[in-house]
Amino acid sequence: AQSVTQPDIHITVSEGASLELRCNYSYGATPYLFWYVQSPGQGLQLLLKYFSGDTLVQGIKGFEAEFKRSQSSFNLRKPSVHWSDAAEYFCAVGANSGTYKYIFGTGTRLKVLA
Amino acid sequence: EAGVAQSPRYKIIEKRQSVAFWCNPISGHATLYWYQQILGQGPKLLIQFQNNGVVDDSQLPKDRFSAERLKGVDSTLKIQPAKLEDSAVYLCASSLTQNTEAFFGQGTRLTVV
Repeated sequence: AQSVTQPDIHITVSEGASLELRCNYSYGATPYLFWYVQSPGQGLQLLLKYFSGDTLVQGIKGFEAEFKRSQSSFNLRKPSVHWSDAAEYFCAVGANSGTYKYIFGTGTRLKVLA
Repeated sequence: EAGVAQSPRYKIIEKRQSVAFWCNPISGHATLYWYQQILGQGPKLLIQFQNNGVVDDSQLPKDRFSAERLKGVDSTLKIQPAKLEDSAVYLCASSLTQNTEAFFGQGTRLTVV
């Protein structure tokens, strides 16, 4: 069965520091991959997506993610974190198993220190 | 372009009462999803519609939850009777087709007391 693992429940970084959030997936073929961000009391906003092609994808708010097939990973990165990036981040896999569905990880909560 | 609209934003009910949530997807989006997000967890798919047909409701507790999507546009999700463990945020999302990115509404926070 398809699954998504986000190993880090909480991450704390200082403002201006670099960030990497990990995501690993389990799926028999190449899935569609997504990162969403959720601020308190809000819905999920799409940061970036990978369907095919270049394995390094750029998103909004200065985020990027790299698809590594050999590691079944799709880690999210940002070179310099801003205080407004504090939120919860969800990795999702879009997989076709009869019907197409999105499967979400459990999320990583990012705290940014001033 | 208008986003996914959900109402109400907040709802508090007593256990065993009924409640309904409404969702208006992005215009032209054929696929509509309802997710349940319990505090501290990722969203869990409850039901997925393609136009007005159900394509996946395998995780919907059908003894108490129901959903419909009339005319392939708006959708309602109902819980009857509610249990304490139904306290969660209910997120509606839509996508142009099944294999394109989903756009989410702000959600409805349900508290069952």
